[in-house]
Amino acid sequence: SYELTQPPSVSVSPGQTASVTCSGNKLGDKYACWYQQKPGQSPVLVIYQDIKRPSGIPERFSGSNSGNTATLTISGTQAMDEADYYCQAWDNSHVVFGGGTKLTVL
Amino acid sequence: EVQLVESGGGLVQPGRSLRLSCAASGFTFDDYAIHWVRQAPGKGLEWVSGISWNSGSIGYADSVKGRFTISRDSAKNSLYLQMNSLRAEDTALYYCAKSQGSGIAAAQDAFDIWGQGTMVTVSS
Repeated sequence: SYELTQPPSVSVSPGQTASVTCSGNKLGDKYACWYQQKPGQSPVLVIYQDIKRPSGIPERFSGSNSGNTATLTISGTQAMDEADYYCQAWDNSHVVFGGGTKLTVL
Repeated sequence: EVQLVESGGGLVQPGRSLRLSCAASGFTFDDYAIHWVRQAPGKGLEWVSGISWNSGSIGYADSVKGRFTISRDSAKNSLYLQMNSLRAEDTALYYCAKSQGSGIAAAQDAFDIWGQGTMVTVSS
């Protein structure tokens, strides 16, 4: 079965750029999306179709997807961005989630 | 306001059954596929099942295939998950999530609306 691999944790200083990666075989040939989940809350879609931001998501969130890796980039990271981030893609009519990355802003 | 509200969770013994519901409002329910996604305590997200706008296409994760059944009722704007032969490993918070599209195999579709979840605990 298809697998998406994310680093368990990423740390970033306030105001700096955070990058969260998601790796999968030929992931660049698929669409990747990203969800943000804060403690005790439901996931929120922050990037879809590799690079698109839903309405209401700040411009500091951006995405890319090429080769075997999709990347979520948060520019000018704020304390409120501290959360778990999950990548997701479709494979063979099944939804696949990455294991999640805990982003710490310190 | 676009909203999904799950219900029906609870404590159930292994081998027993439970039926979850998800009530939708604020959007045209019949236009979109809807999915169930679960999250075990302290763990990541796991897709469970999805159903297309007209119930013509249905998909299940291998971990629940043959035990769980997804359905929807357009008259009630509701989604359901019938869970049979429950196991301890099914213990999780179950979310319903609205797809951006109408089918369940459209690779470009993400989940743009999520409910607050309903907790299912399988234990003797």
